[in-house]
Amino acid sequence: AQKITQTQPGMFVQEKEAVTLDCTYDTSDQSYGLFWYKQPSSGEMIFLIYQGSYDEQNATEGRYSLNFQKARKSANLVISASQLGDSAMYFCAMTPHNFGNEKLTFGTGTRLTIIP
Amino acid sequence: GAGVSQSPSNKVTEKGKDVELRCDPISGHTALYWYRQSLGQGLEFLIYFQGNSAPDKSGLPSDRFSAERTGGSVSTLTIQRTQQEDSAVYLCASSFRHTNYGYTFGSGTRLTVV
Repeated sequence: AQKITQTQPGMFVQEKEAVTLDCTYDTSDQSYGLFWYKQPSSGEMIFLIYQGSYDEQNATEGRYSLNFQKARKSANLVISASQLGDSAMYFCAMTPHNFGNEKLTFGTGTRLTIIP
Repeated sequence: GAGVSQSPSNKVTEKGKDVELRCDPISGHTALYWYRQSLGQGLEFLIYFQGNSAPDKSGLPSDRFSAERTGGSVSTLTIQRTQQEDSAVYLCASSFRHTNYGYTFGSGTRLTVV
């Protein structure tokens, strides 16, 4: 079984500052994928970034980067230069394989609020 | 269409009634998933279809819940004899096998059982 833990139920960050959202995971699988999703108040789930368990480099997508520390089983999301539009719920998730065609296990989420 | 389409977007039903929720995945996506999100909570896996394989139903909370996927495309999630605890947003997602680009989610169906 897989488990995702997000210990920050809510965060407030000043606009233009960087923010780190924590995510730790537990799995017995050797091969897995890690994801971050953003859910704004509209309710849609927006894919942000993916990290494969065998990827040696941290994934980056624009202002998003994933700080992957395999030995510590952590996959923190870093948002650089935060914007007001970043205010949303953020979910960390994982699948048991490198390819995203298995069921996702989600964490409970972190509500990020960007302060102008 | 360009995205995953779910209907209806909102559904209010009386306790004890049956409801059907529809998901139209992205054309060509082989995998389809249903998740449930209760108010302020994370996403709970319900069921997963992959091509012509038998679906993974391990997340269905009770035998009142069932889902089918016709022709490898459209899926219907049926909840029989709805209860108030079934009130949630039901999200559908689809993906193409062997992609690292995650799942594409629909906008969800908000179900309210009164």
